[in-house]
Amino acid sequence: ETGVTQTPRHLVMGMTNKKSLKCEQHLGHNAMYWYKQSAKKPLELMFVYSLEERVENNSVPSRFSPECPNSSHLFLHLHTLQPEDSALYLCASSRQGPGGAFFGQGTRLTVV
Amino acid sequence: KQEVTQIPAALSVPEGENLVLNCSFTDSAIYNLQWFRQDPGKGLTSLLLIQSSQREQTSGRLNASLDKSSGRSTLYIAASQPGDSATYLCAVRPMDSNYQLIWGAGTKLIIKP
Repeated sequence: ETGVTQTPRHLVMGMTNKKSLKCEQHLGHNAMYWYKQSAKKPLELMFVYSLEERVENNSVPSRFSPECPNSSHLFLHLHTLQPEDSALYLCASSRQGPGGAFFGQGTRLTVV
Repeated sequence: KQEVTQIPAALSVPEGENLVLNCSFTDSAIYNLQWFRQDPGKGLTSLLLIQSSQREQTSGRLNASLDKSSGRSTLYIAASQPGDSATYLCAVRPMDSNYQLIWGAGTKLIIKP
């Protein structure tokens, strides 16, 4: 248990579906992150939210839409995904600056 | 531009051995360095966090050191066990960003029974 909880753990969706990934942290952190990890590739930072404001968006396609309603919750809304979007999606949280990052267990997404 | 390198990329050792994983970084202006463990298909588990003012951190059989001036960190695992088999990642938080983590590519460790 890391204090960061992701749901669902596994998700299979068709290319025309709309689904959402959820992340929740109760560590008192003020920054939350979405990462993508594809097979045999390094972690890719997708989005960063700090104090509920999006502060980084690393050229992620618009079919991925993040939402941060408060400092404890982060969502990733998915629509019209492609098979190459199949990956492990990881949520993390931290304090700004010298704080360490803590990760959830990830959502294994398969797009069929 | 900060770059993080981990050597070796893979390591296989018999159970019971002590071992060292290496992480090097090119810019010493960091807030901290963090070691993580990742089991296949799972999330990342934070093992040790070393702030830039610290030299080492210990947790159980794990000891991580930081030499900021030379841009190096080592993760020492004592008396290795098959359950230690995983990919170990290091990441630095540069001082020019409140949010970025710069990642190494990881070391895949296999402990043979």
